[in-house]
Amino acid sequence: DARVTQTPRHKVTEMGQEVTMRCQPILGHNTVFWYRQTMMQGLELLAYFRNRAPLDDSGMPKDRFSAEMPDATLATLKIQPSEPRDSAVYFCASVQAWDSYNYGYTFGSGTRLTVV
Amino acid sequence: QKEVEQDPGPLSVPEGAIVSLNCTYSNSAFQYFMWYRQYSRKGPELLMYTYSSGNKEDGRFTAQVDKSSKYISLFIRDSQPSDSATYLCAMRSDSGYALNFGKGTSLLVTP
Repeated sequence: DARVTQTPRHKVTEMGQEVTMRCQPILGHNTVFWYRQTMMQGLELLAYFRNRAPLDDSGMPKDRFSAEMPDATLATLKIQPSEPRDSAVYFCASVQAWDSYNYGYTFGSGTRLTVV
Repeated sequence: QKEVEQDPGPLSVPEGAIVSLNCTYSNSAFQYFMWYRQYSRKGPELLMYTYSSGNKEDGRFTAQVDKSSKYISLFIRDSQPSDSATYLCAMRSDSGYALNFGKGTSLLVTP
């Protein structure tokens, strides 16, 4: 089965430290999303890319979060400096945009971030 | 107020029961409707996908969309303990690819 791979699976860091999360989308998928999941807010869109170009990052706190796609096989989400309120599960998802009707969106297993 | 509302539950039913899960939404531009299942400490996985109004059936699962009422439902027949999970509704418009999610309903099917 094709899958979205996220690393690391778990990350515990101290407040103020830089955190980088990585995502390998499914080969051939041209649209990649970053979501954050918390108990209070549920799944919230942070940013997404199509053909590696950022289309929407309005859900991201711009002063500390950044998202990039250096190539078609890698998406990164960086938090600098991290704060305790950033503790959440961060999911990456990908889709082949022109086939989205038939195939839906595939999510990775997430990165569980704890900032102490 | 969020664009997509979903009762968080928890919902507890005995094995074999019919389960009804629902979401309401406020954005009339939503055209694509999905249901995801999420097991504990896992990513959401796509269960059902429908476009516009109508019904779609896949095995024990039936998805319904009523755009006039801005209401979608997922029915699970002959529920099994393995169906115990959080069910998330998601939807989007024609003009964008980002999904808008409900907060999820936690379902427990007891043997």
